[in-house]
Amino acid sequence: QSVLTQPPSVSAAPGQKVTISCSGSNSNIGTYYVSWYQQVPGTAPRLLIYDDHERPSGIPDRFSGSKSDTSATLDITGLQTGDEAHYYCGTWDTTLSGPVFGGGTKLTVL
Amino acid sequence: QLQLQESGPGLVMPSQTLSLTCTVSGGSFSTNDYYWIWVRQPAGKGLEWIGRIYSRGSSAYNPSLKSRITMSVDTSKNQFSLKLSSVTAADTAVYYCARVSAAGHNWFDPWGRGTLVTVSS
Repeated sequence: QSVLTQPPSVSAAPGQKVTISCSGSNSNIGTYYVSWYQQVPGTAPRLLIYDDHERPSGIPDRFSGSKSDTSATLDITGLQTGDEAHYYCGTWDTTLSGPVFGGGTKLTVL
Repeated sequence: QLQLQESGPGLVMPSQTLSLTCTVSGGSFSTNDYYWIWVRQPAGKGLEWIGRIYSRGSSAYNPSLKSRITMSVDTSKNQFSLKLSSVTAADTAVYYCARVSAAGHNWFDPWGRGTLVTVSS
C-alpha cells in the first residue's frame, strides 16, 4: 500500500483533458514539493513535473501540475494516444525520511 | 547529457546477496546539488525507494529494508553501488538508479534504463 494515493486508472478520448490526483498528508505533500513521472510500459520513468508545477525542458505545456494542502494534481490536455502510460506522483516523507511515490495511475486514451 | 546505467547479475539465488552498480556518465558525479538513489519496481506494481547516497558517502535507507542494505560510492569511477543481502522472491523486481535534486526539491532525473533482477533457484 503506497503512502500517496492515486486513482488506479483514468481514461478519456483523444483531444480531451484528464486529471490525475495524488493525495497525501502533512508529513509529505503538505510540506514538500511534488513531482510527477510518466512511465511507458517497459521503459524507465520520465520526469514530467517538478517543484509542484515546473516543467523540465522538452515537456509540452499540455502537462501541468498543481498542489493544494495535502493533495496534488496532474492535468493533461489535448490528449494523444502517445500519452497512454502509467503516471506516478512523488515527494519526500518526514516519517520515512525518504522519497515516497503514489501507486500509479494508468491512463488510457480511448 | 547525464546518463545512468545499471549493471549486475540478472539472477540471484535465494538467501544470497544482490549486487548492482550504477555508472554515471556525461556529467558531474561529485556534487552537493544532487544525490543518488536506488528504486525498485516489482512486475505490475509501483515504485519503492531503496536507499540514497551522496557522492561524499553519506547514505540513508528505507527502514523496511535497512537491515539488509549497503550502499557505497566510487568517485574515481563515477559509480555507486547497492548490496541487498538475504534476498527472497519478494526482492524480484526491476531495479533503477537515478539522480535526485537535493536541497528539498527531491525530483528524480534522469533515471537509468533499469535492470531486472530475478531471485530464484
